[in-house]
Amino acid sequence: NAGVTQTPKFQVLKTGQSMTLQCAQDMNHNSMYWYRQDPGMGLRLIYYSASEGTTDKGEVPNGYNVSRLNKREFSLRLESAAPSQTSVYFCASSEGGETQYFGPGTRLLVL
Amino acid sequence: GQSLEQPSEVTAVEGAIVQINCTYQTSGFYGLSWYQQHDGGAPTFLSYNGLDGLEETGRFSSFLSRSDSYGYLLLQELQMKDSASYFCAVRPNNDMRFGAGTRLTVKP
Repeated sequence: NAGVTQTPKFQVLKTGQSMTLQCAQDMNHNSMYWYRQDPGMGLRLIYYSASEGTTDKGEVPNGYNVSRLNKREFSLRLESAAPSQTSVYFCASSEGGETQYFGPGTRLLVL
Repeated sequence: GQSLEQPSEVTAVEGAIVQINCTYQTSGFYGLSWYQQHDGGAPTFLSYNGLDGLEETGRFSSFLSRSDSYGYLLLQELQMKDSASYFCAVRPNNDMRFGAGTRLTVKP
C-alpha cells in the first residue's frame, strides 16, 4: 500500500518547456488535489478533482492544466514553464475532504 | 474570499506546552484541520474539528469556536521531534485552503 506517489521527485526546466507531473493513489479516494508550496506562503491549491471525471480551479490555476485520468491518477501539466512556477508541488487525495494524504512532492526549478 | 491567519513562528522548550492560534474568514465552512510538516517532508494530518469544542489525540489537542472563526492547536509535553511547521486549513466546499504556517522550534 504505497499511498500517494508522485513522479518525478526533481525536475529542472528551461523557460518555455512543458512537462507533466504525475500523481497516483491506491486508497480508492474520490478526491484529489494539486498544491504548490513556496517559502512563507503555505500550500496553495492549484486544481482539484472532487470525483472521477470532474476538475475545478483552485486559488492559483493560471499556467496549469490537469487531467483526472481515472480514479487513481491525477496529472498536472505546465504547458510553457515560467520561473515563477519554480516551487514544490504536492499531490494529495482524500475521502470526504477532512483528511488529506499527501505525496512526497516534486521539486521543480525553472531557469 | 478565504483567509487564514496564524503566527509565523513560535519557540518553546522541551516538556513545555505551546498553543498555535488560527483565525479564518471563509465563504463556506465544513471544519478546521491541522497538518504538520517537517523540513523537506510532506504535510501529514494531525486533527480535525467539525464542531465547536476540544478534540484530543494523545499529546495534541485542537479547539474550534465557529462563532469566533477561531481555533487552536495545543501541543503538550513538547519533544524535540515536534520541531516542524504547523498549518491550519479550512474546507470551504470541495476544496481546501491552508494558512501560511507556524514554524515551531523546540529547544532543549
